[in-house]
Amino acid sequence: ELKVEQNPLFLSMQEGKNYTIYCNYSTTSDRLYWYRQDPGKSLESLFVLLSNGAVKQEGRLMASLDTKARLSTLHITAAVHDLSATYFCAVDGSYGGATNKLIFGTGTLLAVQP
Amino acid sequence: ETGVTQSPTHLIKTRGQQVTLRCSSQSGHNTVSWYQQALGQGPQFIFQYYREEENGRGNFPPRFSGLQFPNYSSELNVNALELDDSALYLCASSTTQGVQETQYFGPGTRLLVL
Repeated sequence: ELKVEQNPLFLSMQEGKNYTIYCNYSTTSDRLYWYRQDPGKSLESLFVLLSNGAVKQEGRLMASLDTKARLSTLHITAAVHDLSATYFCAVDGSYGGATNKLIFGTGTLLAVQP
Repeated sequence: ETGVTQSPTHLIKTRGQQVTLRCSSQSGHNTVSWYQQALGQGPQFIFQYYREEENGRGNFPPRFSGLQFPNYSSELNVNALELDDSALYLCASSTTQGVQETQYFGPGTRLLVL
């Protein structure tokens, strides 16, 4: 059974600081997603990582994927308050093609303090 | 906005009742997946519909059922509601499997079972 774990579960950080959220998964997959969720809202797609070594950046967020280590990271650079949200990683339960049957991690609640 | 719509936005039911939730997929998307997100947790995959057929199911009992219509919209039905069914129900649409494509989530239906 595919399991996805994130850490930390909760992250309080000051504006301007850097930090990394980690996502580990238990079985082979070559398709990993990062989503953002604001309180009471739906999921917003941030990144789709499709191969080993993939790195994508958007603004202050950068995501990477190491399929051999079964690890993805979401790095936050110079955090700002607007980044406060819950971040989820999700893994497609297949290998070699998309099924869009995602297994989600537990989520990381990020609170950026002024 | 993702182009995926869901109705209703909120719903209150009592134990033992039945509920139907609706989802309209993004234009051009033929696959709809349903997820349940309990408070403080990550979404859990319920099932997926592709071209009007169920195409994979998560660890949910048979009282969770669904339909997909020729226009690719979808319904999620839950019979004999239990208190633990209280959650945010999300649908997500995507294009044909195997294509490098993410899925887009709707705003969700928040169900409260009393």
